[in-house]
Amino acid sequence: NAGVTQTPKFRVLKTGQSMTLLCAQDMNHEYMYWYRQDPGMGLRLIHYSVGEGTTAKGEVPDGYNVSRLKKQNFLLGLESAAPSQTSVYFCASSLGGGGTDTQYFGPGTRLTVL
Amino acid sequence: DQQVKQNSPSLSVQEGRISILNCDYTNSMFDYFLWYKKYPAEGPTFLISISSIKDKNEDGRFTVFLNKSAKHLSLHIVPSQPGDSAVYFCAVTDRYSGTYKYIFGTGTRLKVLA
Repeated sequence: NAGVTQTPKFRVLKTGQSMTLLCAQDMNHEYMYWYRQDPGMGLRLIHYSVGEGTTAKGEVPDGYNVSRLKKQNFLLGLESAAPSQTSVYFCASSLGGGGTDTQYFGPGTRLTVL
Repeated sequence: DQQVKQNSPSLSVQEGRISILNCDYTNSMFDYFLWYKKYPAEGPTFLISISSIKDKNEDGRFTVFLNKSAKHLSLHIVPSQPGDSAVYFCAVTDRYSGTYKYIFGTGTRLKVLA
């Protein structure tokens, strides 16, 4: 079991470029989440999904889009990257929702936007 | 306006002694509380949780205490070990809100000195 994996691990973009971060989980979890972590701040929820084909906005969704075409994958897209999107991005998954199902996190993607 | 605060950015403790990490929250609707541990270059990993119907939950060396009237929770690690050196995040959620959202604190970096 690989758990939750994220690709790429590191990326440097120029302002205005686009990219997609891939999250994959092999635990057959229904719920998946994208967070960002910035210095001096906790993890903040960007978007989440409660099942294949569904997405919903979290706390800081602006500038990002997501897709959940397959149950095991959750993609985070940046259409036009901005320096404010420099951050570490974590994907997580859980069996169910409602908070009591443990969220399992991937190792993170460190993104720098110049 | 931060709903979850960890007021101590860092904490140093001697090996074998007790580590106490604190977390305060503002919303009395939160009813499930978690602690995550994070090592450098890794994603957060679940450590321990507590429901609002309890005031204490213990798992080996780790105990979480909840004081609902003070809106305060703490994590006790006894005895502390060098391998416990990590960043600890508290997270809170309202299980019945339907948002499936954790709100994370800013983290406390624990250093256990050998």
